Amino acid sequence: QSVLTQPPSASGTPGQRVTISCSGSSSNIGINYVYWYQQLPGTAPKLLIYRNNQRPSGVPDRFSGSKSGTSASLAISGLRSEDEADYYCASRDDMSGPWVFGGGTKLTVL
Amino acid sequence: QVQLQESGPGLVKPSETLSLTCTLSGASFSTYHWSWIRQPPGKGLEWIGYIFYTGSTTYNPSLKSRVTISVDTSKNQFSLNLMSVTAADTAVYYCARMPGVYGDYGLDYWGQGSLVTVSS
Repeated sequence: QSVLTQPPSASGTPGQRVTISCSGSSSNIGINYVYWYQQLPGTAPKLLIYRNNQRPSGVPDRFSGSKSGTSASLAISGLRSEDEADYYCASRDDMSGPWVFGGGTKLTVL
Repeated sequence: QVQLQESGPGLVKPSETLSLTCTLSGASFSTYHWSWIRQPPGKGLEWIGYIFYTGSTTYNPSLKSRVTISVDTSKNQFSLNLMSVTAADTAVYYCARMPGVYGDYGLDYWGQGSLVTVSS
């Protein structure tokens, strides 16, 4: 049972825009930054978004993050087949801490 | 180019201690947090803990009684010890770097991961 709640799966067709949600509480997302990681099959996770909506160098602007209250979202526009991966949100948690991950969302590109 | 590489036994017996080392190249330990994260087969990520370059540590409360993370800057390595392991500790163990005094820039570099199986 993860502290942050994500839908187990999401899907979209090439070119489409998809969003993945991450629901938390007042002890984590409500007062701390949100981070998003992409994990391609058989590889280590990769940082996609930090501090709610910042992209590391090299991450395409097709990926964007947002936060509102105790929830956050990752949006992927112009969906590509190579975006098929597991996506995890993360945040600090002042109660369960120090850091917690969501359970992950498996994105399928149809 | 920053690189992290986990090393250690791939098989550990129940009740024994799991020990892994992460070797850093292409960067220094200064001003970063150095983390361990694990992922049971087919499951999600779990934060184990991290150590600041000064040696200050922070652990996941659920693992705190069994975990020790240490750093050896002279060898460019930091290590994970997890005591009294059970089958539930079977996972891929990742080491990763977290920039910033407060670690607010995310885990920006990861090792490739090391599968550790707990079995007799």
